Amino acid sequence: GAGVSQTPSNKVTEKGKYVELRCDPISGHTALYWYRQSLGQGPEFLIYFQGTGAADDSGLPNDRFFAVRPEGSVSTLKIQRTERGDSAVYLCASSLLGSSDTQYFGPGTRLTVL
Amino acid sequence: AQSVTQLDSQVPVFEEAPVELRCNYSSSVSVYLFWYVQYPNQGLQLLLKYLSGSTLVKGINGFEAEFNKSQTSFHLRKPSVHISDTAEYFCAVIRNSGGSNYKLTFGKGTLLTVNP
Repeated sequence: GAGVSQTPSNKVTEKGKYVELRCDPISGHTALYWYRQSLGQGPEFLIYFQGTGAADDSGLPNDRFFAVRPEGSVSTLKIQRTERGDSAVYLCASSLLGSSDTQYFGPGTRLTVL
Repeated sequence: AQSVTQLDSQVPVFEEAPVELRCNYSSSVSVYLFWYVQYPNQGLQLLLKYLSGSTLVKGINGFEAEFNKSQTSFHLRKPSVHISDTAEYFCAVIRNSGGSNYKLTFGKGTLLTVNP
């Protein structure tokens, strides 16, 4: 079946602009996660959704970052007033139930802020 | 909090040689352990996981890992590698109960390069 998909695969923007990154989880998965992978690092947790609500957004670096999942399926990560330090690969994952369930990752969106 | 240390950032090997990628973790609570592989320009793919039971875990593509609780290690091994195993490998842990038992903590990764 279809895996986790993310669009766009690459996004280049200028400092100060607003960007949206989209994630389509595996159908039927109630849990959705966003991670950020900087160059030379492992992925770092940003936010966890259970259904429509953000159960844990403690990994979001500051209030320029926001994510939604209005219908409990597709999620959008929104970054306002982008900074060069936001450049990274943003990974989305989903799992069937949450908790310690296996997380299945999408291919990521590579964000470059010039 | 948990932390994961992957002791080698790069491991070059020749084709058909054995390989071991090392992973140590630190946690004040019990954890589950995972190895993920990331091929160039692709997402993370689960290789194997340890939840409970036998400490030797077999995964896809001929990989296996052994959980050693006393040494807090979860090293990944393959007896004979192929060119196609060239990729970045990530060790990760997650709490197995209690709060935040959905948050994967990753190591920095080990780049395995298999040369002909």
